[in-house]
Amino acid sequence: AQKVTQAQTEISVVEKEDVTLDCVYETRDTTYYLFWYKQPPSGELVFLIRRNSFDEQNEISGRYSWNFQKSTSSFNFTITASQVVDSAVYFCALSEAPDTGNQFYFGTGTSLTVIP
Amino acid sequence: DGGITQSPKYLFRKEGQNVTLSCEQNLNHDAMYWYRQDPGQGLRLIYYSQIVNDFQKGDIAEGYSVSREKKESFPLTVTSAQKNPTAFYLCASSFWGSEAFFGQGTRLTVV
Repeated sequence: AQKVTQAQTEISVVEKEDVTLDCVYETRDTTYYLFWYKQPPSGELVFLIRRNSFDEQNEISGRYSWNFQKSTSSFNFTITASQVVDSAVYFCALSEAPDTGNQFYFGTGTSLTVIP
Repeated sequence: DGGITQSPKYLFRKEGQNVTLSCEQNLNHDAMYWYRQDPGQGLRLIYYSQIVNDFQKGDIAEGYSVSREKKESFPLTVTSAQKNPTAFYLCASSFWGSEAFFGQGTRLTVV
């Protein structure tokens, strides 16, 4: 079973629109970590945010914000007033307890295109 | 500067040839990982290592081999047994509970 699901394969928005990228995860652990990464055309994954399972506080960083809801096992990412530079593939990831190998489970990614 | 370095950036392999992708980190991370990414797809785990001289198979280990003789280094060998090796390969390292840091990747093409 997929541990991290990103149901949106591709999204296109016009510049300055807001866009939300969905992420649903599955785990039985009580301690876990969630992440978002950005992959621009160059290919390298750029870390955006980390959240631990005990901290459900939403976070805002500039135009980026994240909504973590344990009740729905979701960790959604919103970009406000999107810009062309936001065009990239975005990955959500889950990391569980060390005794399961400290693996990162990645979703299949959402390709975001911001149209000028 | 601290970071994770992959080399080469581009690699061409002939049919039936083994090739080795390099991955070095100076972040003092215990864990290191190799992922494969095919066009338009997500990241699939090939191998990972938690400590020196120990590593575990990921979801698609067949046709690949690794070694972890030093904490800083985690080379990946793509063997001739890997029938479809053309892909983008990403190496990463981390502490547990912390984010993974990624290298710039190696694009491997079979010619």
